[in-house]
Amino acid sequence: DAGVIQSPRHEVTEMGQEVTLRCKPISGHNSLFWYRQTMMRGLELLIYFNNNVPIDDSGMPEDRFSAKMPNASFSTLKIQPSEPRDSAVYFCASSLGEMGEQYFGPGTRLTVT
Amino acid sequence: DAKTTQPPSMDCAEGRAANLPCNHSTISGNEYVYWYRQIHSQGPQYIIHGLKNNETNEMASLIITEDIKSSTLILPHATLRDTAVYYCIVRVNSGGGADGLTFGKGTHLIIQP
Repeated sequence: DAGVIQSPRHEVTEMGQEVTLRCKPISGHNSLFWYRQTMMRGLELLIYFNNNVPIDDSGMPEDRFSAKMPNASFSTLKIQPSEPRDSAVYFCASSLGEMGEQYFGPGTRLTVT
Repeated sequence: DAKTTQPPSMDCAEGRAANLPCNHSTISGNEYVYWYRQIHSQGPQYIIHGLKNNETNEMASLIITEDIKSSTLILPHATLRDTAVYYCIVRVNSGGGADGLTFGKGTHLIIQP
């Protein structure tokens, strides 16, 4: 299995631009998670989906952030408009079952200038 | 979920057993203890989890005290590749589907040659 796939691996953009991060979970997994990691705040849960349905988006910083999961094999995290404080590594993870271990992707390093 | 407390850093000699402590004094009987680690610039990696009993897999052993208020992750023969930040996380089995992980600051384990 290829594991969780994220793209792009690196993204550099200017403030105000729209950014879209993509994630392909492990085939057969029914839960998908988006996390963000910064030096200041560590690893934070942004949003997660069970069976393609968003369950908890309380970690999404503000309305500029949105996430979708149109089918079981694809999810996007969009930031519009982006700001320098959004610079971070964004991780996607997937799991199977209620207490299944989460498998993390390699992350997308976002830099907003 | 119960809060966890871990030492910020630890050293261990290569080839020796690394014992990483975690305090979770507010844990309840239906909460699992999970361990993940994050090697520099990579996504977190699942190691092991347990409820009340000790557990062992190919990566590590998890020793949970009888009162379940603390636990120890044991890497039996540490190698340089085990240098990473180790996170102890408590998760409740709510019966309502998977949920996200709450990461603390973890323990930065440094394996010395």
